[in-house]
Amino acid sequence: KQEVTQIPAALSVPEGENLVLNCSFTDSAIYNLQWFRQDPGKGLTSLLLIQSSQREQTSGRLNASLDKSSGRSTLYIAASQPGDSATYLCAVDSSNTGKLIFGQGTTLQVKP
Amino acid sequence: GAVVSQHPSRVICKSGTSVKIECRSLDFQATTMFWYRQFPKKSLMLMATSNEGSKATYEQGVEKDKFLINHASLTLSTLTVTSAHPEDSSFYICSAPGPRSNEKLFFGSGTQLSVL
Repeated sequence: KQEVTQIPAALSVPEGENLVLNCSFTDSAIYNLQWFRQDPGKGLTSLLLIQSSQREQTSGRLNASLDKSSGRSTLYIAASQPGDSATYLCAVDSSNTGKLIFGQGTTLQVKP
Repeated sequence: GAVVSQHPSRVICKSGTSVKIECRSLDFQATTMFWYRQFPKKSLMLMATSNEGSKATYEQGVEKDKFLINHASLTLSTLTVTSAHPEDSSFYICSAPGPRSNEKLFFGSGTQLSVL
């Protein structure tokens, strides 16, 4: 059974710092992995989608990497801003059906 | 881009009542939609897969009679929480695959259900 774990559960950094969020999954047989952002009481915004054949994806200040063999993904946020404060979730699709298994999330606070 | 609309965004109801949540794909067709629930400070857990024109597929431990799912058209799926109780209070959110293959999933904005 696929399990997704995110470390740390919470993170607080000063504005301008570069940071890395970690995601690990137990079964390397995945089709894709997605990183999402969730603001309190709100829905999810997809940030980056990495297909199983890809190693990384970049969007602006965000870079996500995928090492399928080791069951790990990282989300790198460069030059963090207070507006980046949110909960970040990673999720894997192990069945290519769109059914996602989510990690518990990392709640990020960027202090001005 | 593709948009998934979910409403209501917030519902407060008395124990014993039923609540319907709608999830619509606004500019694309979705033969499949997914329903998740999220408890405070917890992650999202898949409840069921909604299939247009056929019965929904429920995850283990999810009561079919409690959480009724209807996917009557290619753009609308509904989740009805029947005879809601306080323990059903949660954040419910739907998603749909985008219109193109290997495209990311699109999520609704979620519904916060509070049962008194």
